[in-house]
Amino acid sequence: GAVVSQHPSRVICKSGTSVKIECRSLDFQATTMFWYRQFPKQSLMLMATSNEGSKATYEQGVEKDKFLINHASLTLSTLTVTSAHPEDSSFYICSASAGGGTGFSDTQYFGPGTRLTVL
Amino acid sequence: KQEVTQIPAALSVPEGENLVLNCSFTDSAIYNLQWFRQDPGKGLTSLLLIQSSQREQTSGRLNASLDKSSGRSTLYIAASQPGDSATYLCAVLSGGYNKLIFGAGTRLAVHP
Repeated sequence: GAVVSQHPSRVICKSGTSVKIECRSLDFQATTMFWYRQFPKQSLMLMATSNEGSKATYEQGVEKDKFLINHASLTLSTLTVTSAHPEDSSFYICSASAGGGTGFSDTQYFGPGTRLTVL
Repeated sequence: KQEVTQIPAALSVPEGENLVLNCSFTDSAIYNLQWFRQDPGKGLTSLLLIQSSQREQTSGRLNASLDKSSGRSTLYIAASQPGDSATYLCAVLSGGYNKLIFGAGTRLAVHP
C-alpha cells in the first residue's frame, strides 16, 4: 500500500528557533499534500493544503508566515514552523493524495506524525 | 460549516464485548466517511471508508454503517480484544480539495 513518511518523528527546540518537518510519499506521486495539527485528546485540524508547484492554501486562522509550506516535488512537502513558541508545541501529521484535489474520494494516506516540543 | 461529533468520548469494556461507536455530522453533503484508528503518539490507520452512496462496509470484526440523510455513522466492533485499545476517529470528506473534517475521537480501552 501507499506509504507516507515524516521526519523527524520527534523534535525539541528552543523558543524563537525554526523547525522544518518533512513529509514524503515513498511509493507514489502525491499531487496534493495536507498538513494537520493535533492537540492532546483533540481532533486533527487541517492547517493547509498544498498542490505540487503552487502555493499552499491555508485554513482560516492559520498564519501562513509562521507555518511555511513548500511542496517542491511530487514526493516531498515540508512544513517549517518559524520562530517557534511553546504554544506551537503539538503533534503535526501530514497526508498525501495522488488525486488532483477534485474532492471526489481521493484517498489520503497519513504519515506517522511529528511531535514538536518548544521549550 | 461541517462539524463532526463522536460519542462517547471514552469507553472502557471487558474483553469479548461487542461495542458501538457513534459519529454524527451536521452537513449531509459529504462524499464519503472514514473511520481511522490512532494509537498513542502515532499516525492514523484507515479502517473503513464508506462512499456516500453506500450504506455499510465490513472488514473482519469491524462493520461501519452510514445514514447520510440523518448525518450518522456507527462503527461496530465485534468480540473486542485488548489489541483494539486505541482512539477511533471518524472523518467526513466534505467540500473541495479533499478536505477531511475529523471528530475528536473515541478513546477505547479493552481490558482482559
